[in-house]
Amino acid sequence: GAVVSQHPSWVICKSGTSVKIECRSLDFQATTMFWYRQFPKQSLMLMATSNEGSKATYEQGVEKDKFLINHASLTLSTLTVTSAHPEDSSFYICSARDRAGRTTDTQYFGPGTRLTVL
Amino acid sequence: AQSVAQPEDQVNVAEGNPLTVKCTYSVSGNPYLFWYVQYPNRGLQFLLKYITGDNLVKGSYGFEAEFNKSQTSFHLKKPSALVSDSALYFCAVRDPLWIQAGTALIFGKGTTLSVSS
Repeated sequence: GAVVSQHPSWVICKSGTSVKIECRSLDFQATTMFWYRQFPKQSLMLMATSNEGSKATYEQGVEKDKFLINHASLTLSTLTVTSAHPEDSSFYICSARDRAGRTTDTQYFGPGTRLTVL
Repeated sequence: AQSVAQPEDQVNVAEGNPLTVKCTYSVSGNPYLFWYVQYPNRGLQFLLKYITGDNLVKGSYGFEAEFNKSQTSFHLKKPSALVSDSALYFCAVRDPLWIQAGTALIFGKGTTLSVSS
């Protein structure tokens, strides 16, 4: 099956620093990737939709200047948490939609990145 | 607006017994429905989906789900639970009218399944 990777799997940083999280589709091309945030024992909340070659679409309440998304290629999207604060600590999960899978339309999820801001 | 409801925060079942994790949805038109499982500190793993066709969908690890349009439900089932099935289960939906826009899934809040030996 399709594989999506995320790097790093976990990161601890000091308040005020920026952290970049990578999401890669390893064996398929993804024109669309999604970034979710998950708090402990809660559901996934969509943050933004990342489209290759264009600006990301952010959900209401998500600060685009805080969470920078870049989708530079069909296999890579990055999420940068700028000037991170403790309240940004969370589990960030990306998913990718197979470009060729329009009829099946299954999304494949990365393993997630645990961000802890001290 | 699209929405998904998982009415149970937790489901407890003994190993070997059948299990059901409930999901109801609200979308316009015919929905695309999904079940995912999440193990601790891991991403989501796809279990199964309903797009069209047979209302009973079979998926990974012996799970199945039944699409019931009249009850707007898509309950996840397994005839005989295993301890290793213990995890967090998410039901998700997408409105097919938005399919070409590449919209994300809308997730339920999740149900923790605990299977005791």
